[in-house]
Amino acid sequence: GQNIDQPTEMTATEGAIVQINCTYQTSGFNGLFWYQQHAGEAPTFLSYNVLDGLEEKGRFSSFLSRSKGYSYLLLKELQMKDSASYLCAVMDSNYQLIWGAGTKLIIKP
Amino acid sequence: NAGVTQTPKFRILKIGQSMTLQCAQDMNHNYMYWYRQDPGMGLKLIYYSVGAGITDKGEVPNGYNVSRSTTEDFPLRLELAAPSQTSVYFCASSQAGGGADTQYFGPGTRLTVL
Repeated sequence: GQNIDQPTEMTATEGAIVQINCTYQTSGFNGLFWYQQHAGEAPTFLSYNVLDGLEEKGRFSSFLSRSKGYSYLLLKELQMKDSASYLCAVMDSNYQLIWGAGTKLIIKP
Repeated sequence: NAGVTQTPKFRILKIGQSMTLQCAQDMNHNYMYWYRQDPGMGLKLIYYSVGAGITDKGEVPNGYNVSRSTTEDFPLRLELAAPSQTSVYFCASSQAGGGADTQYFGPGTRLTVL
């Protein structure tokens, strides 16, 4: 079966760095997405990786290792507004997104 | 651009009632999707459409129906509502559905079936 695993909840301190991991087993692979979802709101796109390596976008970076079925999202210089859920999703061989349950990130002052 | 819009924002249904969740996009996207999101679980694909007149089942289609008569609109119909359909429903759209294609989400409809 297809499976996306990510931690349920993480806590970090304002100004610090946090890494959210995602491991996956899917039927085929056509890229991995990270979305941010604030409570009660819609998911919004953060990043896309299809090749191994690190993609940097401002305070956010995303890493992919296809051989290990592993990705992480790195958030630097954490701000209170970064308190949200972070969703990992893999596009499978049918070009459908398979979603993880999300990691709720709590930022403390 | 309004992006992806959904109505209603909230709805309470009684068991056995029917309703239609509306979704519209103004980005001229070809692909549209319906997901449901339950607490502690990932988004699950209900139905999707690759263009006007073409729809297909996702992972959890039972109890739902869709139609796509125009590029802009993709309504989701619930027939004979059941408590198991209590969820948050998100509509999304994307340009081409390919690997790097980003999906844009509407604000969601929070449905409770009692």
